[in-house]
Amino acid sequence: NAGVTQTPKFRVLKTGQSMTLLCAQDMNHEYMYWYRQDPGMGLRLIHYSVGEGTTAKGEVPDGYNVSRLKKQNFLLGLESAAPSQTSVYFCASSDPTGASNIQYFGAGTRLSVL
Amino acid sequence: EDKVVQSPLSLVVHEGDTVTLNCSYEVTNFRSLLWYKQEKKAPTFLFMLTSSGIEKKSGRLSSILDKKELFSILNITATQTGDSAIYLCAVEDEGNYKLTFGKGTLLTVNP
Repeated sequence: NAGVTQTPKFRVLKTGQSMTLLCAQDMNHEYMYWYRQDPGMGLRLIHYSVGEGTTAKGEVPDGYNVSRLKKQNFLLGLESAAPSQTSVYFCASSDPTGASNIQYFGAGTRLSVL
Repeated sequence: EDKVVQSPLSLVVHEGDTVTLNCSYEVTNFRSLLWYKQEKKAPTFLFMLTSSGIEKKSGRLSSILDKKELFSILNITATQTGDSAIYLCAVEDEGNYKLTFGKGTLLTVNP
């Protein structure tokens, strides 16, 4: 029972480099989310998707892009990494069609930008 | 804009103590309030509350929601070192199915 899987788990980038974080879920959830977590800031929503082929901006979208080409995958891209993007990134998925919208999280990706 | 405020931000107790964590919120169209526990890695779901005054309970953990006063509490009785974690509170807006998280409460339980 994999649930939500994030790759990679750790990454170090130099300023200006690009990278893509991959999130995969096997629960057939419609909704997927990307968050960043910084010390003392809680979880902040970067982008989210309500279905295959759709994406929307969250609270802190600047400097990030996303794509949802397949229902089970949600990609987060950094085109030109900056030190301010050093953070722990979490992906989550949910099925909001019932009485709840419980989000299930991946284990996170720790990113350092030097 | 939806808002969640948790208090205290950090708390240190001894094993066996009882703790109460607080969460107050502002949300346009309230649908639910969720509590998560975060240890080393991913936040894991604890409780979801949708109706006021109903207590959700799981072992030593319990939570209650007051929709009139716009807050929730999470109680942990007979704390253990394994309860050490960040506890996150989030509210769901019925209009957009997004969760707004508070900054969390860091609980440390010392032996």
